[in-house]
Amino acid sequence: GAVVSQHPSRVICKSGTSVKIECRSLDFQATTMFWYRQFPKKSLMLMATSNEGSKATYEQGVEKDKFLINHASLTLSTLTVTSAHPEDSSFYICSGDPSGYEQFFGPGTRLTVL
Amino acid sequence: GDSVTQMEGPVTLSEEAFLTINCTYTATGYPSLFWYVQYPGEGLQLLLKATKADDKGSNKGFEATYRKETTSFHLEKGSVQVSDSAVYFCALSLNSGNTPLVFGKGTRLSVIA
Repeated sequence: GAVVSQHPSRVICKSGTSVKIECRSLDFQATTMFWYRQFPKKSLMLMATSNEGSKATYEQGVEKDKFLINHASLTLSTLTVTSAHPEDSSFYICSGDPSGYEQFFGPGTRLTVL
Repeated sequence: GDSVTQMEGPVTLSEEAFLTINCTYTATGYPSLFWYVQYPGEGLQLLLKATKADDKGSNKGFEATYRKETTSFHLEKGSVQVSDSAVYFCALSLNSGNTPLVFGKGTRLSVIA
């Protein structure tokens, strides 16, 4: 199957700082990638759809100025959490679909904001 | 809106026990249905899927049948192993192709020897 990587796998930062999370498709090109957020004991919630070469599409309730998404190439999408606060602490997961039939997920990034 | 409801965990079973994890869905159209598995420290992996009513998805001894009349997609395995310990997510997608998934909350399964 296709491989999606995320970096970093775990990050701890101070409140007020910004954190960038990278999502890479290692063996396929992805014009679209999805970013999800997973709260403890909760399901994965779609945050936004990342589109290569154009603006991301955000789900209702997700602040686009806080969660900046850049999909600058066919193999890389980045999520930047700006001015992070403790409530932003969560598990962030990205996915891509090389064929139109199956989503492949990254291993996730655990963000802890102190 | 579209949603997926799956049984609360955690579920703890002895090795070789029978497993059922219930999943029901609400959707405006005719979704494709999926079960994903997340092993400790790893990303989500597709376990099985079904794209239309009465389809049965199967993989690694796991099965689930798309039941339109009961809007269900229950996951079953006849004999679980310790290596099946993981979190299982039921999910749906309304369109084929590159579309996002709607997930259930996940059910943690622990299998003890």
